[in-house]
Amino acid sequence: DGGITQSPKYLFRKEGQNVTLSCEQNLNHDAMYWYRQDPGQGLRLIYYSQIVNDFQKGDIAEGYSVSREKKESFPLTVTSAQKNPTAFYLCASSDSKGLAQVEQFFGPGTRLTVL
Amino acid sequence: AQSVTQPDIHITVSEGASLELRCNYSYGATPYLFWYVQSPGQGLQLLLKYFSGDTLVQGIKGFEAEFKRSQSSFNLRKPSVHWSDAAEYFCAVGANTGTASKLTFGTGTRLQVTL
Repeated sequence: DGGITQSPKYLFRKEGQNVTLSCEQNLNHDAMYWYRQDPGQGLRLIYYSQIVNDFQKGDIAEGYSVSREKKESFPLTVTSAQKNPTAFYLCASSDSKGLAQVEQFFGPGTRLTVL
Repeated sequence: AQSVTQPDIHITVSEGASLELRCNYSYGATPYLFWYVQSPGQGLQLLLKYFSGDTLVQGIKGFEAEFKRSQSSFNLRKPSVHWSDAAEYFCAVGANTGTASKLTFGTGTRLQVTL
């Protein structure tokens, strides 16, 4: 089955530590995205990538970093510079052709808790 | 800039009753509109989408939505709610950005279903 996988489902981190969230897709999509979800605030875009070895900042990129070395993978690193990292993180992907590029498919999410 | 407003934070309906969730958007051009559903601790599942054409859109699980340009609205409806419909619902407006897309989400409406 084609889809998006995120791991781990739950992640705990001590203050001052960097942590990396995994996102893999087998939909053959060119574009991938990372969102942060907080209660009552909907989803906010952190970073997105339109193609391998290229990515752009979203609305709340500070304290986060990404890489896109493979088409299938788009890991997100939450750095110690992110002051309030406890949140639910969602990865998404979309096709790059015509109107299909507007529709995004989402993974199951990773809940990060800073202790 | 595009924006989405979901004026109802929380709605409670009885099982079997009809449902309407409100969504208003702001976007300069013809909008691409989406409704997603999220169960607790899960990712987002697409219910339906509007790109063009017929303004009444049918989706999965018996949901439909109507695009009204004059009112900048894209309200979600279901004639008879089931207990399994209890979840959080997000409206989003999308735009192309080259080979990726930008989705702007509302803050969500949490649906509670009473038996």
